[in-house]
Amino acid sequence: GAVVSQHPSRVICKSGTSVKIECRSLDFQATTMFWYRQFPKKSLMLMATSNEGSKATYEQGVEKDKFLINHASLTLSTLTVTSAHPEDSSFYICSARDSQSYNEQFFGPGTRLTVL
Amino acid sequence: LAKTTQPISMDSYEGQEVNITCSHNNIATNDYITWYQQFPSQGPRFIIQGYKTKVTNEVASLFIPADRKSSTLSLPRVSLSDTAVYYCLVGGVRWTNAGKSTFGDGTTLTVKP
Repeated sequence: GAVVSQHPSRVICKSGTSVKIECRSLDFQATTMFWYRQFPKKSLMLMATSNEGSKATYEQGVEKDKFLINHASLTLSTLTVTSAHPEDSSFYICSARDSQSYNEQFFGPGTRLTVL
Repeated sequence: LAKTTQPISMDSYEGQEVNITCSHNNIATNDYITWYQQFPSQGPRFIIQGYKTKVTNEVASLFIPADRKSSTLSLPRVSLSDTAVYYCLVGGVRWTNAGKSTFGDGTTLTVKP
């Protein structure tokens, strides 16, 4: 199957700093990518839908100014957590949808963010 | 968006067949049903997808009744490594914003020796 990578896999930062997480589709083009966050022993919560070349669509309750999403190319979407706080510590997962195959969604391995 | 309901947890033993059922009463005509497996601190992994009747691949089978209001993931002869959380997702064919799917609570499967 198609491969989606995330970088970094794990990051620790100080409170107040910004952290950028990259999501790449390695062998296919993805016009749409999704960003999720997951707290321990909880399900994935959709944060936003990232569309190549246009603004992301955020789910209700997700601050767009805090979680900046950029989808500048068909293989790369980035999520920047701005002015991170300890409550932003979570597991962030991206997924990408193959432009040629609308039914399947490929997930990245996730990024563990710890804000001190 | 179609809401899904699954059992919170299930226990099984090695070598047994496990069936996990998901309810999705509000499934739309264009929605597909997809099952994912997730291990701790990893992204979800695709298991199987179907629209109606039965689908089988090398790791699982998916049974969908005619009304499509539920689906059952069948894992034959589970092993300890199948211990994971299993999610049932219902989503549209065209993955526009309106076609996005939402994760339910998932089913934690524990396989015992």
